[in-house]
Amino acid sequence: AQKITQTQPGMFVQEKEAVTLDCTYDTSDPSYGLFWYKQPSSGEMIFLIYQGSYDQQNATEGRYSLNFQKARKSANLVISASQLGDSAMYFCAMREGEGANAGGTSYGKLTFGQGTILTVHP
Amino acid sequence: NAGVTQTPKFQVLKTGQSMTLQCAQDMNHNSMYWYRQDPGMGLRLIYYSASEGTTDKGEVPNGYNVSRLNKREFSLRLESAAPSQTSVYFCATQRMTGRYDSPLHFGNGTRLTVT
Repeated sequence: AQKITQTQPGMFVQEKEAVTLDCTYDTSDPSYGLFWYKQPSSGEMIFLIYQGSYDQQNATEGRYSLNFQKARKSANLVISASQLGDSAMYFCAMREGEGANAGGTSYGKLTFGQGTILTVHP
Repeated sequence: NAGVTQTPKFQVLKTGQSMTLQCAQDMNHNSMYWYRQDPGMGLRLIYYSASEGTTDKGEVPNGYNVSRLNKREFSLRLESAAPSQTSVYFCATQRMTGRYDSPLHFGNGTRLTVT
């Protein structure tokens, strides 16, 4: 079974509008972390935002916010006021187990979804 | 500039040839990873090294070997390349902080084509 599912292969948004990229995850571990990365056409992987399973509030980083619904196991990325430079592939990823936030060490393995290509139109 | 450096950026191999992808980091991070990226499949973990002197298999290790030469360098070797190994390969690092929220830092990738 897929641990991370991104059901939108492609999304389109008008410049200056908001867009939501979906991500659902599957884990039985109570401790986990969720990440979003951006991959522009140049190919590099850029870390955007993180949400921990025990975090009480949704994460925000500038124009990026994470709509975290733990019971539904979803961690959707919201980009507000889209810009042309936001056009890219976006990946959701999860890190499981190993005593998250309990001081345990993490070997850092991330499991990635298939990605969503976002196109911002002027 | 601090970061993760991968060489080469591009490579074309014939089936059966061997090669080593190099990764070096100057971020003083303990953990290093090799991922491959294929269309429609996201990134999949090949091998990782939690610290100098240790390596472990990831999700798709077959056909690859790795060496953690020292804290800075983690290389990926294809002993006998196959067309199925045509992919973009990413090296990544993580600082072992004991916290769960430290992200992976990626190199710019190596685009490998096996004909």
